[in-house]
Amino acid sequence: DAKTTQPPSMDCAEGRAANLPCNHSTISGNEYVYWYRQIHSQGPQYIIHGLKNNETNEMASLIITEDRKSSTLILPHATLRDTAVYYCIVRVSRSGNTPLVFGKGTRLSVIA
Amino acid sequence: EPEVTQTPSHQVTQMGQEVILRCVPISNHLYFYWYRQILGQKVEFLVSFYNNEISEKSEIFDDQFSVERPDGSNFTLKIRSTKLEDSAMYFCASSNLAGGYYEQYFGPGTRLTVT
Repeated sequence: DAKTTQPPSMDCAEGRAANLPCNHSTISGNEYVYWYRQIHSQGPQYIIHGLKNNETNEMASLIITEDRKSSTLILPHATLRDTAVYYCIVRVSRSGNTPLVFGKGTRLSVIA
Repeated sequence: EPEVTQTPSHQVTQMGQEVILRCVPISNHLYFYWYRQILGQKVEFLVSFYNNEISEKSEIFDDQFSVERPDGSNFTLKIRSTKLEDSAMYFCASSNLAGGYYEQYFGPGTRLTVT
């Protein structure tokens, strides 16, 4: 089962920042926080991951609390194309065989 | 940008028939996976494959399922005798070690409909 808890849905106005929370209170020291998204019925798409430091890439920023029990994915300027289901996944990264365990995720609706 | 491709995009089959779903992973990737998603439900892991053998499989991946890498580019999932409950989107994914991490890249999926 997924080791994360996310709100089932969120709305965000177009152009505003979307902040998606995730709780992972049982995360182990060697587990990373990964974020993926799934637009409609397409294949999941990797967004970002981190261990304990905040991370930023061209898609998003990831803020992880100091105790690592929760994190927030930030889409700085949400567009209509960011409407998707966002999955927060904890996973041991340094093993190529480790499967991704998806929960129900957060359905983000970006509204014009 | 390299991507995972899957064929066909939609497969309709009758219960009891065999189906083969095909995937072409990203060319320099070494780890391959199949996941499925029943309509309205979570994405579920089926199997991972490395070095020409199954690395890990879920409870869903029973004797009706098999995987193969028949050549240097294709990765296939075979369902021997399909059931109605096999109707789902099937996603192939691949990964490799890059920057010390393994990100999985997913294909667009094959929608399997069993009638």
